[in-house]
Amino acid sequence: DADVTQTPRNRITKTGKRIMLECSQTKGHDRMYWYRQDPGLGLRLIYYSFDVKDINKGEISDGYSVSRQAQAKFSLSLESAIPNQTALYFCATSSAGRNTEAFFGQGTRLTVV
Amino acid sequence: AQSVTQLDSQVPVFEEAPVELRCNYSSSVSVYLFWYVQYPNQGLQLLLKYLSGSTLVKGINGFEAEFNKSQTSFHLRKPSVHISDTAEYFCAVRVNTGFQKLVFGTGTRLLVSP
Repeated sequence: DADVTQTPRNRITKTGKRIMLECSQTKGHDRMYWYRQDPGLGLRLIYYSFDVKDINKGEISDGYSVSRQAQAKFSLSLESAIPNQTALYFCATSSAGRNTEAFFGQGTRLTVV
Repeated sequence: AQSVTQLDSQVPVFEEAPVELRCNYSSSVSVYLFWYVQYPNQGLQLLLKYLSGSTLVKGINGFEAEFNKSQTSFHLRKPSVHISDTAEYFCAVRVNTGFQKLVFGTGTRLLVSP
């Protein structure tokens, strides 16, 4: 089983719909992140969480919200999806410490039509 | 604020040829540097990282990178590529102060042909 699991892997939704992307991890890490990947733009940070009670906005948080339900679960919501939120979304985790790497899920491909 | 530049969006190369993927960063403070690889339909996997010490870092799958502080570069190299190295490669930097956010470059697609 993957250490970082994202569901669903693919989703097509209509403009204006609410959608939730889920992430769970078995690595025991405190820190979790949501990134979005767009062609030619690399990965950009949407939200991050240092622990269950700590949620922070990243560089592109507008139009998104998150919930840290438990240490192992971090979900991303689009309250009212719009076409320019079509992208590949990644969840990642890391332990505390400056020299630690991030571990990524396999991604969720979201298409808003 | 720190940033990462990957000038080459795509690098075509023949199998068994050497390759270098370029990465330059800007930061006013010291950083940690990473290279990640993304195979088709998969997440990102760490190739190698520079934290401190020797400026030449060896990673998985025969890749290595050299940290050059004066040129603020962290180029990725492999002496002989395989078809299976076809993937997208991301350089990333983390500053060692504050939140230590991981900032990614825009990626370089390596295309290895026979």
